Amino acid sequence: IAGITQAPTSQILAAGRRMTLRCTQDMRHNAMYWYRQDLGLGLRLIHYSNTAGTTGKGEVPDGYSVSRANTDDFPLTLASAVPSQTSVYFCASKAGETDTQYFGPGTRLTVL
Amino acid sequence: GQNIDQPTEMTATEGAIVQINCTYQTSGFNGLFWYQQHAGEAPTFLSYNVLDGLEEKGRFSSFLSRSKGYSYLLLKELQMKDSASYLCAVTDSNYQLIWGAGTKLIIKP
Repeated sequence: IAGITQAPTSQILAAGRRMTLRCTQDMRHNAMYWYRQDLGLGLRLIHYSNTAGTTGKGEVPDGYSVSRANTDDFPLTLASAVPSQTSVYFCASKAGETDTQYFGPGTRLTVL
Repeated sequence: GQNIDQPTEMTATEGAIVQINCTYQTSGFNGLFWYQQHAGEAPTFLSYNVLDGLEEKGRFSSFLSRSKGYSYLLLKELQMKDSASYLCAVTDSNYQLIWGAGTKLIIKP
């Protein structure tokens, strides 16, 4: 069982380019999350999905979009990357409302 | 607004005990989590408290006081591998996790 996988592991991207970060879980968890983590700021929620077919905005959604076509996959798209989106991106999932969130290994994204 | 405070950095000696504090102000409370994050890796679950009191799990214990908006993580018999960041997070009234910025723990031999 892989848990949560993310791809790519790292990426260097030119500003203005479109980029999709992939996240797949095999635990059949209902809820999935995208966070960004920057030095000194902790984890900040970008978007979330409580169940397949639904999505919601987190604390810092601008410049990002998500979709949840099925239970397993939750891709995050940057329509036109900007340098301030340079960060480490973590995908997470959990089974129920008060359950533990489990994290993927992260994607390190640099926008130049 | 919602806020979680924890010290930025702490230093301790191998074999000793360290207590990492966390205070919170959130819209609602549905539990408090502690996660461990080694440099360059993902956060991993350590403990969960929803009722007041102490939860012990091996060398790690976590305490919660809901009336004071306060928790601490206690690490005993420190080992070099405990060098990591420790993240405090609270589940709010919407069942979203609100995260502290993390405490970087440095263990010295």
